[in-house]
Amino acid sequence: DIVMTQTPLSLSVTPGQPASISCKSSQSLLHSDGKTYLYWYLQKAGQSPHLLIHEVSSRFSGVPDRFSGSGSGTDFTLKISRVEAEDVGIYYCMQGIHPLTFGGGTKVEIK
Amino acid sequence: VQLVESGGGVVQPGRSLRLSCAVSGFTFSNYGMHWVRQAPGKGLEWVAIISYDVDNKYYGDSVKGRFTVSRDNSKNTLYLQMNSLRPEDTAVYYCAASTIAAPLGYWGQGTLVTVSS
Repeated sequence: DIVMTQTPLSLSVTPGQPASISCKSSQSLLHSDGKTYLYWYLQKAGQSPHLLIHEVSSRFSGVPDRFSGSGSGTDFTLKISRVEAEDVGIYYCMQGIHPLTFGGGTKVEIK
Repeated sequence: VQLVESGGGVVQPGRSLRLSCAVSGFTFSNYGMHWVRQAPGKGLEWVAIISYDVDNKYYGDSVKGRFTVSRDNSKNTLYLQMNSLRPEDTAVYYCAASTIAAPLGYWGQGTLVTVSS
């Protein structure tokens, strides 16, 4: 199975400041079909996760443009350009080559 | 889009439980469906997938041989039959729908399963 490693474990950010989360996979997520199956989810307290970014860098419907994803192969990054209070929660990366596996999560809180 | 899980509860080790996930707001029969679980205070673990046409089912190693995923496209409902339950199966179980964007595009609110004597 593909192992996903996220860093840091937690992040404390001043509102309006940027934040960055790293996700590394144990093998390349570039599929033979040319797509890279890397996703980002946010789980707010007491809620189920919801999709932010699909295929590395495409924002899901309704996701603010302060969220962006980048990367290739085995190294990926989620960036929040200006953190807002509503962005607090745990962020997970996930790879989409079966069996699906998740990173351990990064907890983002406001200073 | 709405996914609503039910069937969770407290069950003794070795016993069985069946979870359901009622879906509305999209054409259920066109999409694969997943179960994902989250132990208390822990991260996310993928459990199972069933294809849109029921022909293909895959399981995580930790549940293989004990859990069975099924669906009734006429009722827009997904199921997870859990047998030989263990304390380590204690978790919130989420159903999630595959979408064009992602394998886990939409999620339910989850149902808590507690395995304890």
